[in-house]
Amino acid sequence: EEQLVESGGGLIQPGGSLRLSCAASGLTVSRNYMSWVRQAPGKGLEWVSIIYSGLDTYYADSVKGRFIISRDNSKNTLYLQMNSLRDEDTAVYYCGRDQGHGHLGMDVWGQGTTVTVSS
Amino acid sequence: DIQMTQSPSSLSASVGDRVTITCRASQSISGYLNWYQQRPGKAPKLLIYAASTFQSGVPSRFSGSGSGTDFTLTISNLQPEDFATYYCQQSFSAPYTFGQGTKLQIK
Repeated sequence: EEQLVESGGGLIQPGGSLRLSCAASGLTVSRNYMSWVRQAPGKGLEWVSIIYSGLDTYYADSVKGRFIISRDNSKNTLYLQMNSLRDEDTAVYYCGRDQGHGHLGMDVWGQGTTVTVSS
Repeated sequence: DIQMTQSPSSLSASVGDRVTITCRASQSISGYLNWYQQRPGKAPKLLIYAASTFQSGVPSRFSGSGSGTDFTLTISNLQPEDFATYYCQQSFSAPYTFGQGTKLQIK
């Protein structure tokens, strides 16, 4: 069974940094396009970032220059390094697998990890 | 960036009804449009990709159509488990933006 499990969320002060992890089982992170999506409390889904199997990366304008998506092939794990955190980054963060080289939707999702940015 | 606009933002219906949700892209996205269902406290679930292709295991009462800039999700014979929030997403070009969501509520 293909499964993703996020971790690393928590309470962090504005301006701080946090790294989220997404451990995969039943699928190989390096062979897939993988994304992060977030959802602020009571709000809709916001696409955050994607990493292609060939290591190309893309970001939402709201996080560009502050967040970095990466992966560790040996650990079969996806990461999201979040720097210069702002109140508006408070959200549940989901990782997911993009099928069809990124063009056919996210078919496998983690359960989410909560990030709260507050002083 | 491509903007996705869903309508309506909320919708009330009864079990057995048929409902339609629309999604409009700010520019042509060909057929690269996905639909998700999200229940409270849960991760989204992919229902339809490439505008009209069912994800495995999705009931046939869900259907999608459209191309270019205008797309629709139709749910026929609404079941109690269908009352949730629905999102469209374009996967034509990054950033792969979502619509703002449509909350389907029981009348």
